[in-house]
Amino acid sequence: VQLVESGGDLVQPGGSLRLSCAASGFTFSSYAMNWVRQAPGKGLEWVSAISGSSGGSTYYADSVKGRFTISRDNSKNTLYLQMNSLRAEDTAVYCCAKTSTTLTSPFDYWGQGTLVTVSS
Amino acid sequence: SYVLTQPPSVSVAPGKTARITCGGNNIGSKSVHWYQQKPGQAPVVVIYYEKDRPSGIPERFSGSNSGNTATLTISRVEAGDEADYYCQVWDSSSDHVVFGGGTKLTVL
Repeated sequence: VQLVESGGDLVQPGGSLRLSCAASGFTFSSYAMNWVRQAPGKGLEWVSAISGSSGGSTYYADSVKGRFTISRDNSKNTLYLQMNSLRAEDTAVYCCAKTSTTLTSPFDYWGQGTLVTVSS
Repeated sequence: SYVLTQPPSVSVAPGKTARITCGGNNIGSKSVHWYQQKPGQAPVVVIYYEKDRPSGIPERFSGSNSGNTATLTISRVEAGDEADYYCQVWDSSSDHVVFGGGTKLTVL
């Protein structure tokens, strides 16, 4: 199993960014997926989740709801996070994480993350 | 929203037992997972569904969950166990994943 994030960058407050997570080594469409972030020197913060299969169910932390959108393209084995109206407090390393089965199950594989810096 | 509370730090001598707690309202009714994160590395699950261990995780790692407290116990602590540890649940009332604030385990 491999999860490789990309798309992190330096962006100004109010700007937008799209993160990607390329998955391999497992049947991507069968598993719920998540984004988790970690600000420098801080703990883990869950950002968003999407159900397996068609990804018909999505979930967001209160801190990002209405600004971030999670999606998946099962044909490309790729998870996305569209981030709009970015704030300084969104600065963090963003990791994608695979659940072992459903949304309530543990995260059994994590990517190494991509750094998002929001600053003027 | 559901809150998980962990002590910021726990210190233990090598060979002793470390206990890291995770407090939450009626957490005993929830499925709790524990992660170990070493500097510069991605988290690794060490206990899932309160007490199950993934393959490759030593038997020294165990978990329990009752009432308002879940506990990760590390027996015969080794220097290599020094890391940050996080508890995690799925809160069905809000449909949110919740992480505890993390506990830094220091091996003296």
